[in-house]
Amino acid sequence: KNQVEQSPQSLIILEGKNCTLQCNYTVSPFSNLRWYKQDTGRGPVSLTIMTFSENTKSNGRYTATLDADTKQSSLHITASQLSDSASYICVVSAGAGTALIFGKGTTLSVSS
Amino acid sequence: NAGVTQTPKFQVLKTGQSMTLQCAQDMNHEYMSWYRQDPGMGLRLIHYSVGAGITDQGEVPNGYNVSRSTTEDFPLRLLSAAPSQTSVYFCASTPARHITYTEAFFGQGTRLTVV
Repeated sequence: KNQVEQSPQSLIILEGKNCTLQCNYTVSPFSNLRWYKQDTGRGPVSLTIMTFSENTKSNGRYTATLDADTKQSSLHITASQLSDSASYICVVSAGAGTALIFGKGTTLSVSS
Repeated sequence: NAGVTQTPKFQVLKTGQSMTLQCAQDMNHEYMSWYRQDPGMGLRLIHYSVGAGITDQGEVPNGYNVSRSTTEDFPLRLLSAAPSQTSVYFCASTPARHITYTEAFFGQGTRLTVV
């Protein structure tokens, strides 16, 4: 069964600190992996999208990595800000067609 | 461009009532889809459309109907609302015919409560 598992479920960090969110997937055939940020009460917004051949992709203070062999991805947030408080969702595309497999998300709280 | 616009933002329905959630996009995207988001669960696909006149079922289609008469609009109809349909609903669009290949843009969501 296609699944996307994220850890931790929630995380609290101090402003200015770094953090790393994890995503493990069992999706076949793999097409690409995306990270979305979802602010409370808003729709998901794309941070990065990586294909099979990409190992790292950055978007400002956000850096995503992908290891297609171990089927793991991580999202590293550098020098966190209060505005980073949100849910971060890992999404894997399964082959050709219509399937996006969503993780349950990691809720990040950045405190001052 | 407004992107993906959903209306209403909030709605309370009584069990058995029907209603339509509206979704419109002004990016000329081919692919549009509806998801529901429930606490502790990932987004789940309800229905999708790869172009005007074409719709298909997703993972959780029961109790919902859709139509795609134009490229811009993709309304979701609840036929007879049930408490189990209490959820947050998101509409998404993508420029390609298949969502797996290109970026998806989400609306702001409709929070629906069925009492």
